[in-house]
Amino acid sequence: AQSVAQPEDQVNVAEGNPLTVKCTYSVSGNPYLFWYVQYPNRGLQFLLKYITGDNLVKGSYGFEAEFNKSQTSFHLKKPSALVSDSALYFCAVRAYGDTGFQKLVFGTGTRLLVSP
Amino acid sequence: DSGVTQTPKHLITATGQRVTLRCSPRSGDLSVYWYQQSLDQGLQFLIQYYNGEERAKGNILERFSAQQFPDLHSELNLSSLELGDSALYFCASAATDVYFSGNTIYFGEGSWLTVV
Repeated sequence: AQSVAQPEDQVNVAEGNPLTVKCTYSVSGNPYLFWYVQYPNRGLQFLLKYITGDNLVKGSYGFEAEFNKSQTSFHLKKPSALVSDSALYFCAVRAYGDTGFQKLVFGTGTRLLVSP
Repeated sequence: DSGVTQTPKHLITATGQRVTLRCSPRSGDLSVYWYQQSLDQGLQFLIQYYNGEERAKGNILERFSAQQFPDLHSELNLSSLELGDSALYFCASAATDVYFSGNTIYFGEGSWLTVV
């Protein structure tokens, strides 16, 4: 079964410092990987995706993610964190549904807290 | 703004009642997904429709049902509600549901259901 794991429930970082939110995946075949962010009392917002091509993917709000096939990881990164980046971050992998069509399987989420 | 519209945003109802959640997908998107987000179970895939046809089922209870109409909007019906059904219900849409396409699944802001 295709799945993703987010090993950290929470990540704390000071404003201005680089941040990393970790994600590892387990898929058969080539992975299609996504990051979403959920701000308090808001929906899920798409940040970025890896389908194919460059291992470094750039997304919204200055975020980027590095796809590493040998380590089966897709970590989310940002060079300089902002207090406004504080939110819940979800990694997801595109998986086959029972009938062969796509769905997203999400990790458990990582809460990012950026302190002033 | 993802372009996916969900109503109502908040709903409080009593146990045993029935509610209907409505979703309008992004313009041009044929595929609609429903997800449930709860504290204890995270983001769970419920069901998917494509151009009016059910394509995939996830962890959807028999008390729940959904449909997608000819104008592509979708409704999620929740009946015989229990306290444990209290959750945030997301609708999402995508242009297609083909696994190997590169399209992104976009989420609405969700409908908060509280069962009392």
